[in-house]
Amino acid sequence: QKEVEQDPGPLSVPEGAIVSLNCTYSNSAFQYFMWYRQYSRKGPELLMYTYSSGNKEDGRFTAQVDKSSKYISLFIRDSQPSDSATYLCAMSDRSGGSNYKLTFGKGTLLTVNP
Amino acid sequence: DSGVTQTPKHLITATGQRVTLRCSPRSGDLSVYWYQQSLDQGLQFLIQYYNGEERAKGNILERFSAQQFPDLHSELNLSSLELGDSALYFCASSPRDYNTDTQYFGPGTRLTVL
Repeated sequence: QKEVEQDPGPLSVPEGAIVSLNCTYSNSAFQYFMWYRQYSRKGPELLMYTYSSGNKEDGRFTAQVDKSSKYISLFIRDSQPSDSATYLCAMSDRSGGSNYKLTFGKGTLLTVNP
Repeated sequence: DSGVTQTPKHLITATGQRVTLRCSPRSGDLSVYWYQQSLDQGLQFLIQYYNGEERAKGNILERFSAQQFPDLHSELNLSSLELGDSALYFCASSPRDYNTDTQYFGPGTRLTVL
């Protein structure tokens, strides 16, 4: 079982739709959760960063973490064509002081149609 | 623009060859991370340097090596290249030595091994 599982999609929605993107993970040591957006032929850019369980909102984006279920979500409200990109979840822990890496999901390709 | 620069943007080479990828971190960032992104494996952490010292290793092959220089730029050396090494290689930087820091990604180097 991979440490982080993410449905690759592709996901196609009409403009204005609410989009839900999800990842599950198996490593209970993960404490920090991030969502990155990657446009075609570009590097990933950080969208959201959360530490604890619960919700975090930033504009049209809401990140949700449920540590008990090992499940994280990213919601995009009022989706726009400019949101069309690949969305990557990423996680990290602080165990042992030696694990300085992010573990990424494979990414979900989202297309928002005008 | 994240402030992280990578050169070259594209690299086409033959099997068995050696190449060097270069990364300049954001001004003031001391940590540099290297990632490999392929269609089947997703984004995989390779190695991290902090202020010139190797801090963490991920799924980096023995044929690959990296270093960070006193001016904080980093180079990733890939040798005895194989077809399977074709991928996007990203560099990211962050201010400190913590994996929870926001990592800013460069635009990547696309390596094609023929």
